[in-house]
Amino acid sequence: NAGVTQTPKFRVLKTGQSMTLLCAQDMNHEYMYWYRQDPGMGLRLIHYSVGEGTTAKGEVPDGYNVSRLKKQNFLLGLESAAPSQTSVYFCASRGTGSTGELFFGEGSRLTVL
Amino acid sequence: DAKTTQPPSMDCAEGRAANLPCNHSTISGNEYVYWYRQIHSQGPQYIIHGLKNNETNEMASLIITEDRKSSTLILPHATLRDTAVYYCIVRPHGGATNKLIFGTGTLLAVQP
Repeated sequence: NAGVTQTPKFRVLKTGQSMTLLCAQDMNHEYMYWYRQDPGMGLRLIHYSVGEGTTAKGEVPDGYNVSRLKKQNFLLGLESAAPSQTSVYFCASRGTGSTGELFFGEGSRLTVL
Repeated sequence: DAKTTQPPSMDCAEGRAANLPCNHSTISGNEYVYWYRQIHSQGPQYIIHGLKNNETNEMASLIITEDRKSSTLILPHATLRDTAVYYCIVRPHGGATNKLIFGTGTLLAVQP
């Protein structure tokens, strides 16, 4: 049981390049989230999804787009990367059960030069 | 969602109990208290949650004051592997948005 898997784990981009981070979960969870974490700061919510085909903005959505075409996948896209988007990105998912527990991936470290 | 206030850092001796406080004075009646922790560079890990009663599981105990304006996470016998950032979050249990807003947490350093 893999849980939440993020790819790639590391990536270096040049300013202006585009890329997509993939999050996959095998727990049949309805809800999925993308967070970013910068040094000395907590996690900040970028976008989230409450079900297949739906997405919503979080605290810091600018510069990012997301898609949830399949229930198990949640993609985070950067159309034109900027140095300010250098960060560690975490994906998380949760089911509709009573505990409300979030399951996190191991993170994707992105550097924009 | 209600805001939380946590001390930025705490120390604890290995084998002793670690008591991590959290203030949430604006908590609403339908908001639960959740605790997560993040060990260096890893994804956050769920620890425990509660509404108004004290809760205990294999990892920790959660003590919520009667007025629900503050809570304490207790790690009964801290080990070096418990060194991590601990996040206290309050949010409704259900609801369509279901998002957790993380603050900066408390860095717990367990000393040998």
